Amino acid sequence: DAGVTQSPTHLIKTRGQQVTLRCSPKSGHDTVSWYQQALGQGPQFIFQYYEEEERQRGNFPDRFSGHQFPNYSSELNVNALLLGDSALYLCASSLGTSEKLFFGSGTQLSVL
Amino acid sequence: GQSLEQPSEVTAVEGAIVQINCTYQTSGFYGLSWYQQHDGGAPTFLSYNALDGLEETGRFSSFLSRSDSYGYLLLQELQMKDSASYFCAVRVVSGGYQKVTFGTGTKLQVIP
Repeated sequence: DAGVTQSPTHLIKTRGQQVTLRCSPKSGHDTVSWYQQALGQGPQFIFQYYEEEERQRGNFPDRFSGHQFPNYSSELNVNALLLGDSALYLCASSLGTSEKLFFGSGTQLSVL
Repeated sequence: GQSLEQPSEVTAVEGAIVQINCTYQTSGFYGLSWYQQHDGGAPTFLSYNALDGLEETGRFSSFLSRSDSYGYLLLQELQMKDSASYFCAVRVVSGGYQKVTFGTGTKLQVIP
């Protein structure tokens, strides 16, 4: 039973570029949440997708957008990258509103 | 919004007991979770409290007092492998969808 998988594991971009990160949820899970984790900080909630729609959103600008596909996989897109976007981006899946989140290993994004 | 406070660092001796406290402020509170994250790894779910009281899972226990907006994680018989960051997280449900907000984390160092 595959857990949550994210790709790529590492990514280097320059300011102003755009990036797409991908996530496949744990088998049987239908809800995907995205988090940003800066070094030494806790994960910050970006948004959550369920039934291919954004259901909850954290305090992130519109440069951050996402998508969920019919197979429940999800993408996180960030436009006009800033140096401050450098962080570990974590995807977490769950079954509906289950309290237990399963995290992927993340994508380490570096913006130069 | 939500805010959570937990100590930034704790040091404890192998074999001892350590308690990590968490206080929170939020509306729509449903429950308090705890996650463990080793350096370079993904957060992993440890426990969840929706009701007041103590939940025990092996060497780990978690406590919640809803009236005090307070909880703690208790780790017994500490092992070197318990050295990690520990995050409390509040689960809020609104409009039928949940949002899990993490604290800034407590870095636990277990020493021989």
